[in-house]
Amino acid sequence: KQEVTQIPAALSVPEGENLVLNCSFTDSAIYNLQWFRQDPGKGLTSLLLIQSSQREQTSGRLNASLDKSSGRSTLYIAASQPGDSATYLCAVRNQDSNYQLIWGAGTKLIIKP
Amino acid sequence: GAVVSQHPSWVICKSGTSVKIECRSLDFQATTMFWYRQFPKQSLMLMATSNEGSKATYEQGVEKDKFLINHASLTLSTLTVTSAHPEDSSFYICSATHADRGNQPQHFGDGTRLSIL
Repeated sequence: KQEVTQIPAALSVPEGENLVLNCSFTDSAIYNLQWFRQDPGKGLTSLLLIQSSQREQTSGRLNASLDKSSGRSTLYIAASQPGDSATYLCAVRNQDSNYQLIWGAGTKLIIKP
Repeated sequence: GAVVSQHPSWVICKSGTSVKIECRSLDFQATTMFWYRQFPKQSLMLMATSNEGSKATYEQGVEKDKFLINHASLTLSTLTVTSAHPEDSSFYICSATHADRGNQPQHFGDGTRLSIL
């Protein structure tokens, strides 16, 4: 059974720092992995999606990597800003799933001005 | 990009009331929609998978008679919480995808906060 773990559960850093959020999964037979952002009391915003054949994806200050063999993904945020404060969730879609996503518990990120 | 609209965003009602939440895909046909429940400071918990034109598939522990799901068209799925009680208070989120979009991101509604008094 696929399990997704995110470490750390919470992270607080000063504005301007570069930071890395981690996501690990137990079954490497994934179809893709997706990173989301959730603001308090809001829905989810898709940030980056990495297909199983890809190693990384970039969007602006965000870079997500995928090492399928070791069951790990990282989300790198460059030059963090207070507006980046949110909970970041990663989710994997298994190869044998009906589009279902298996979710990590999230990392709550606080960027201090 | 694809947009999923969820309505209402906030509901407060008395215990025993039934509440209907709508999830619409605005610019694509959603063959599959998912309904999630999220408790404070926790991740999303999948409740059910809804395929257009067929009965929803419920996750273990989710009462299908309590949480009625209808996916009668390619753009609309509804979740009805029947005879709601305070323990049903939660944040409900839907997502939508299409069979031809399996390699694309799922798109989520903004969620519905349900408070049962």
